[in-house]
Parts: sequence; C-alpha cells; structure tokens
Amino acid sequence: DADVTQTPRNRITKTGKRIMLECSQTKGHDRMYWYRQDPGLGLRLIYYSFDVKDINKGEISDGYSVSRQAQAKFSLSLESAIPNQTALYFCATSDWTGVLETQYFGPGTRLLVL
Amino acid sequence: DQQVKQNSPSLSVQEGRISILNCDYTNSMFDYFLWYKKYPAEGPTFLISISSIKDKNEDGRFTVFLNKSAKHLSLHIVPSQPGDSAVYFCAASEGNNAGNMLTFGGGTRLMVKP
Repeated sequence: DADVTQTPRNRITKTGKRIMLECSQTKGHDRMYWYRQDPGLGLRLIYYSFDVKDINKGEISDGYSVSRQAQAKFSLSLESAIPNQTALYFCATSDWTGVLETQYFGPGTRLLVL
Repeated sequence: DQQVKQNSPSLSVQEGRISILNCDYTNSMFDYFLWYKKYPAEGPTFLISISSIKDKNEDGRFTVFLNKSAKHLSLHIVPSQPGDSAVYFCAASEGNNAGNMLTFGGGTRLMVKP
C-alpha cells in the first residue's frame, strides 16, 4: 500500500464550486504539505502543517484553505474554484531529522476547473 | 522571480551516455539541495541530496555537484538508462530556517533513447 494517498486522483468541476482534495499518510510523519504543479513552474507550496495544531500559509495560499484533521490527514479546499486553479496538486509528508528534510509525495490529483 | 531555475525544459540522451541536468539558484541562504524524479501519473520521488558543506555527493549512477560560488548544481547520471526517462526537479531549502520549505525549479524532462 502507498504511504501517501490522495483522493480523488482526477476531478472536473465548474467555476464557483467548492471542492476538497484529501490526503492521508501512513508514514507517521508530523509534517504535511500541499503543492500545485504548473507547467514550467515546478511545484509551488500552498499550505503546510508541522503538526495537528499548526497550519501555515505557503507561497500561493490565496483561494485555498486546509484542515489537519489528524496527524495522518491533511485536506485542501478550494472554496470557490476558478479556472486558473486548474493544475496538478500534490500532498507531501516529511521526516524532520533536525538537520535535513526529505519530502515524500503522493501520486497527485489532477484538477480541471471549467 | 524564481529562486531556483532549471533553464533546460528538456534533454535527450542516448542510452549509455552521460546525462547532465543543471540547476541555478539565486538565494545565497540556501544550504540544502535535493533532486527529485517524477514519472507520469506519479508523485515526485526523492533521488539524491547535498548539503552546502559538500561539493559532491554520489549514489550509484547518480552524482550531484554543487558550486556555491556560482550558485549552481548539477545532476550527472552515468550511464543513462531508458528507465531514467522522467522529469527531474531540483529543490533547495534554507536548512535550519523555520519551515525548511523546499523551493523547486521548473523541472527538466529527460529522455533516454535506446
């Protein structure tokens, strides 16, 4: 079984709709992240959470919100989807050693906003 | 402005030859660098990393070189194999800075021809 799972894998929605992307992990990591990938721009950080009570905005948080329901679950919501939120979304977790950090990614959710 | 840039969006190499993927950065506070590999329909997977106290790190066929004065790093794959065909992202972080968030480059698509 995959260590980091994302649901749904693909989603088509209409402008103005509220949608939620979900992420679950079995790695036991405290840190979780949401990124979006756009062609030529790499991965950009939307939100991150260092533990259940800690939520932080990333580089491009406008139009998004998150919920850390448990150590293993981190959800991303688009309150009112717009076409420029069409992208590939990745959830990631990390094992912070105090010095170095490696992030482990889920398989991604491809979102199309019409 | 992107702090981490991969100026070559694609690279084509013959099987058995060396693949060299380049990455430049502008933030002199970055002190930890990583390479991720991404296959279609999968999330990025960690490949190799290097701390700024080193100028080279090797793992099997993969070697990362860091030139701090030039703010440049490169990934060498020798010998290249068709299974190495993927998109490669370089990423950087500010070490012990709060968050240790990764800043990603835009990616380079490597195609290894049999």
